Amino acid sequence: GQQVMQIPQYQHVQEGEDFTTYCNSSTTLSNIQWYKQRPGGHPVFLIQLVKSGEVKKQKRLTFQFGEAKKNSSLHITATQTTDVGTYFCAGPNNAGNMLTFGGGTRLMVKP
Amino acid sequence: DAGVTQSPTHLIKTRGQHVTLRCSPISGHKSVSWYQQVLGQGPQFIFQYYEKEERGRGNFPDRFSARQFPNYSSELNVNALLLGDSALYLCASRQAGGYNEQFFGPGTRLTVL
Repeated sequence: GQQVMQIPQYQHVQEGEDFTTYCNSSTTLSNIQWYKQRPGGHPVFLIQLVKSGEVKKQKRLTFQFGEAKKNSSLHITATQTTDVGTYFCAGPNNAGNMLTFGGGTRLMVKP
Repeated sequence: DAGVTQSPTHLIKTRGQHVTLRCSPISGHKSVSWYQQVLGQGPQFIFQYYEKEERGRGNFPDRFSARQFPNYSSELNVNALLLGDSALYLCASRQAGGYNEQFFGPGTRLTVL
């Protein structure tokens, strides 16, 4: 079945440093979504990418969808303590009736 | 507007028991999905319901079942509970079927002893 993998699993950074998480799917995706889950919280939708090679920015966050639509990345510039949490990517199956999440990257920021 | 609500917040059961979890979507949302999230892992898709019909099912045993009511609220039922069913159960709603932006509820923390 479809698999979605994320690396790294954990990342410790000093506040102000940059952070990147990578997402890879075993199948071509029609779209990819990114979510953030704070400790003890629930996933919160961040963005959806649809087009091959698409790049979208949200303030310090930059999201990219690969040309082959099988990989994606999330880059945070100058991390802040408010960025702490686990970042998940998720993609639908070919039938569009099932969403598969990656294992997530847990970001920890030292003040 | 209220977000997605789930009840109960926490639940403790013993092996072999049955559990029913409830979800109310955001007003106007007709699609509800259920996920199981084991500690330290990503959410795993269980079911998607749209307009009261099952539209997708993940790789879970038949002990897991769900339904959606005319008001678009939903129930997830799990029979013959196992220790491995201990997890956070998340409900997410969206306006329509398919996979666009979805909004998660706070989840139900199920502990099976």
